[in-house]
Amino acid sequence: DADVTQTPRNRITKTGKRIMLECSQTKGHDRMYWYRQDPGLGLRLIYYSFDVKDINKGEISDGYSVSRQAQAKFSLSLESAIPNQTALYFCATSEVGFEQYFGPGTRLTVT
Amino acid sequence: GQNIDQPTEMTATEGAIVQINCTYQTSGFNGLFWYQQHAGEAPTFLSYNVLDGLEEKGRFSSFLSRSKGYSYLLLKELQMKDSASYLCAVRDRANAGNMLTFGGGTRLMVKP
Repeated sequence: DADVTQTPRNRITKTGKRIMLECSQTKGHDRMYWYRQDPGLGLRLIYYSFDVKDINKGEISDGYSVSRQAQAKFSLSLESAIPNQTALYFCATSEVGFEQYFGPGTRLTVT
Repeated sequence: GQNIDQPTEMTATEGAIVQINCTYQTSGFNGLFWYQQHAGEAPTFLSYNVLDGLEEKGRFSSFLSRSKGYSYLLLKELQMKDSASYLCAVRDRANAGNMLTFGGGTRLMVKP
């Protein structure tokens, strides 16, 4: 079984809709992250959380919100989706000071 | 903030050696990571350097020079399955939470 899972894996939605992307991990890590990836721009950090009570904005948080429901679950929401939020979204986890483990990604298309 | 530069694309031949360079500028360098990412898949960890020198792991090696703000990933005995993007990421103490900043990635195409 995968250590980091994301649902859904693919989603097409319309402009203005609210959408939630979910991430779960079985690695027991405290730290969780949400990134988006666009062609040629690499991975950019949206939000990160060091534990259930500690949530922080990343480089590109505008238009997004997150919820850390438990140590193992970290959700990303787009309150009102817009076309330029079309991207590949990755969740990741890590221990303090160690490498990050990535989920399989969610391909989101906003029309 | 950081500035991380990698070549956008490289092509190499099966069985050969290829070197992928990464240059960076940080105010509080605290480690450099290399990840491999096949198209449409998750990045997977390859290597980590925090001190100067070469780290070797099988066919893959990674080198770091902190004074030059420079790293490279060396892939030996290239195989077709090595066709992927290679991401350089730098950890900086000046970033809140010691976060990673990723370069744009180098797309490597291995040809027969």
